[in-house]
Amino acid sequence: DVQMTQSPSNLAASPGESVSINCKASKSISKYLAWYQQKPGKANKLLIYSGSTLQSGTPSRFSGSGSGTDFTLTIRNLEPEDFGLYYCQQHNEYPPTFGAGTKLELK
Amino acid sequence: EVQLVESGGGLVQPGRSMKLSCAASGFTFSNYGMAWVRQAPKKGLEWVAYISYDGGSTYYRDPVKGRFTISRDNAKSTLYLQMDSLRSEDTATYYCTILTTGGWFAYWGQGTLVTVSS
Repeated sequence: DVQMTQSPSNLAASPGESVSINCKASKSISKYLAWYQQKPGKANKLLIYSGSTLQSGTPSRFSGSGSGTDFTLTIRNLEPEDFGLYYCQQHNEYPPTFGAGTKLELK
Repeated sequence: EVQLVESGGGLVQPGRSMKLSCAASGFTFSNYGMAWVRQAPKKGLEWVAYISYDGGSTYYRDPVKGRFTISRDNAKSTLYLQMDSLRSEDTATYYCTILTTGGWFAYWGQGTLVTVSS
């Protein structure tokens, strides 16, 4: 299985700031990486797939980049609703595998 | 609006069985592959099982093969997960998801908690 390693595990920031979350695959996954947001009491939300394609409804302050083994989710101009957990997932090969998550907290 | 509503979770003893259901609405259920993803308490996400749009193909992660069965009723727009010989390590919140042909999970339910304990 492809192992996905996210960093950092925790991140503290203030509204208006920009943050980056990294995801590293144990082997090349081409561009096939998705990002999800998880918040208590809400359904998980797909933000980005295929590395950089925004899911319909994802605000433009979110962006994804990378290919091969190294990927980044960037959130610019943080809004209060952006705080929560973020997961990456490779969708290059079976079985799909997730990173361990990054908790984005309010500073 | 896409809605996926899981039910059937609860407390179950090790070795016993439990069946989860997921009622889907807001999209043409019979056109989409579906999957179950689980999350153990304070842990990350883990794909469990997949079923094709017509039920003709199913896939499972290794630890649940032979114990879990994914199925669907397209007439009722409902997804199921039959879980037999449950173990403590199966304790998790189970999410119903739409798994696209591209391999990403497009929509998620809010999950149902399964606790395996004596």
